[in-house]
Amino acid sequence: AQSVSQHNHHVILSEAASLELGCNYSYGGTVNLFWYVQYPGQHLQLLLKYFSGDPLVKGIKGFEAEFIKSKFSFNLRKPSVQWSDTAEYFCAVNLNTNAGKSTFGDGTTLTVKP
Amino acid sequence: DTGVSQDPRHKITKRGQNVTFRCDPISEHNRLYWYRQTLGQGPEFLTYFQNEAQLEKSRLLSDRFSAERPKGSFSTLEIQRTEQGDSAMYLCASSLTARETQYFGPGTRLLVL
Repeated sequence: AQSVSQHNHHVILSEAASLELGCNYSYGGTVNLFWYVQYPGQHLQLLLKYFSGDPLVKGIKGFEAEFIKSKFSFNLRKPSVQWSDTAEYFCAVNLNTNAGKSTFGDGTTLTVKP
Repeated sequence: DTGVSQDPRHKITKRGQNVTFRCDPISEHNRLYWYRQTLGQGPEFLTYFQNEAQLEKSRLLSDRFSAERPKGSFSTLEIQRTEQGDSAMYLCASSLTARETQYFGPGTRLLVL
């Protein structure tokens, strides 16, 4: 069974700092990759996704992620964070089959200090 | 609001009682997923439906759990004889197809005393 590992449980940054959140998965086949965000008191929502094509994926709110197949990684980046980026971030993977069910990492809580 | 809705948002029950949660997906979404999330962890897959057909169940879903999606619209998740270990957030998500974005509802937070 596939698993997803997020290396940082809690990250604290000052506004304008650059962000990189790590995500590694364990599965040798073709996968679809996702980053979700959950702002305080809100639903999980999709930040970005990778299915195929250009491994550098751009999402909403200035986020991007790079799929590196050889490293089984899909790290999330943002050049300059804002206070409003304070949230919990989840990496997820599903197998490129017809199931669509996702395996999630345990999440990284990002706190941005104003 | 045309997003995924879940009811109730919170449920407190005593051990041994039965509980039922409802999920209303986005209209016309064929896929409906149930996940469970406990504190400090990411959502874990429980089961999913393609229209009214339940296509897969996780081994996390013991025989005390049952899910239905009659007529391929809303879905219910029932837990019988609840245990304290069932305390969690139960999330529902829907998507148009397997490869489309899953939209999540607000979840039902269950506390079993």
